[in-house]
Amino acid sequence: EAQVTQNPRYLITVTGKKLTVTCSQNMNHEYMSWYRQDPGLGLRQIYYSMNVEVTDKGDVPEGYKVSRKEKRNFPLILESPSPNQTSLYFCASSSGGSGTSVRSAEQYFGPGTRLTVT
Amino acid sequence: AQSVTQLGSHVSVSEGALVLLRCNYSSSVPPYLFWYVQYPNQGLQLLLKYTSAATLVKGINGFEAEFKKSETSFHLTKPSAHMSDAAEYFCAVSGPGRRALTFGSGTRLQVQP
Repeated sequence: EAQVTQNPRYLITVTGKKLTVTCSQNMNHEYMSWYRQDPGLGLRQIYYSMNVEVTDKGDVPEGYKVSRKEKRNFPLILESPSPNQTSLYFCASSSGGSGTSVRSAEQYFGPGTRLTVT
Repeated sequence: AQSVTQLGSHVSVSEGALVLLRCNYSSSVPPYLFWYVQYPNQGLQLLLKYTSAATLVKGINGFEAEFKKSETSFHLTKPSAHMSDAAEYFCAVSGPGRRALTFGSGTRLQVQP
């Protein structure tokens, strides 16, 4: 089954304790992305990756890091989490091609990770 | 830059009534437009997408949306609401390179019996 998986699904942590949220897709997609969802703000892109070893900032990258060492995995790292990073996080992926087709824009989403930082 | 505006953060309809969720966009390039649905405690599921092939787009679960370039709108409709349609709906536009998605703030649909 084609899917995007995230772990953990729920996480409660304390300020300053480094954490990693994993994301994996089994569709051989080149493009992967992280979003955070906050009430009234919709989803905002944190970081994205066009392919292995190619990553770039989205709209709200402060306080986050990512890496893309393998095509299927795209972990999100919070080196020193703060309460304002309490949110619902989604990983997404899309296929490659030239980047101008709708196929490359249509993204598949993981189930989400609800993070609480106290 | 692109942006999406969804009018109405909450919409309530009666079961069997028409559903209309509004979305207006701005984009400097011809857009790809999407509607996603999020059921409680779940991820986002694609409802439908506009690809410039046809202005009226049919999606899953009886939903459809019409692209109106003159109004920069992509409103989502369903003729008859069902209780199972209760969810949050997001409109999104593709960004530069046709990969990055910019989302609206979402509309929560309630369906009253």
